[in-house]
Amino acid sequence: DTEVTQTPKHLVMGMTNKKSLKCEQHMGHRAMYWYKQKAKKPPELMFVYSYEKLSINESVPSRFSPECPNSSLLNLHLHALQPEDSALYLCASSQDPGKETQYFGPGTRLLVL
Amino acid sequence: QKEVEQDPGPLSVPEGAIVSLNCTYSNSAFQYFMWYRQYSRKGPELLMYTYSSGNKEDGRFTAQVDKSSKYISLFIRDSQPSDSATYLCAMTLYNFNKFYFGSGTKLNVKP
Repeated sequence: DTEVTQTPKHLVMGMTNKKSLKCEQHMGHRAMYWYKQKAKKPPELMFVYSYEKLSINESVPSRFSPECPNSSLLNLHLHALQPEDSALYLCASSQDPGKETQYFGPGTRLLVL
Repeated sequence: QKEVEQDPGPLSVPEGAIVSLNCTYSNSAFQYFMWYRQYSRKGPELLMYTYSSGNKEDGRFTAQVDKSSKYISLFIRDSQPSDSATYLCAMTLYNFNKFYFGSGTKLNVKP
């Protein structure tokens, strides 16, 4: 089973709202990732968590705040977003950080008004 | 120059055709090569994963890596309408920390 789940599937928020995206995997993977994907573009890496610790932040604005409560869960907290942040947000996981390929979730489609 | 180049298409073929999808890259240090399939409004799905040069076959799919030419390919035999999707190539260094994606090729298989 290589399933990564994400909730919600769709999210509409205003620029003053605070919301969170959730990602979950039960494959025992120790690395988890957040990506942002705009239409007709490839995924862009945002954050990497390795063994529940943030290991890579690709210079993402502070209005995006990741959190890894445990090895199965990954959250992305959103605050004061801009309309240009509207995109598909993808979560991925891999078994061992630095050793294995990544499996993606279905994504959360975010619209910022 | 982009690290990974991929023709965005769209590529339109009749059902049953052999499809060839390709990527070129500039960094000779890339070690691992992946192909993902992404249906509209869905997350990417891992199709093939290869290390170093050579061929790897899985059902109707064959992945080919030519490191000397910095060129990778995905072949789809007996293409089906259900294969209609965007195909993304991705590659990474030995440490897998960062994936470098191609821009994706949109494939349309006509019944």
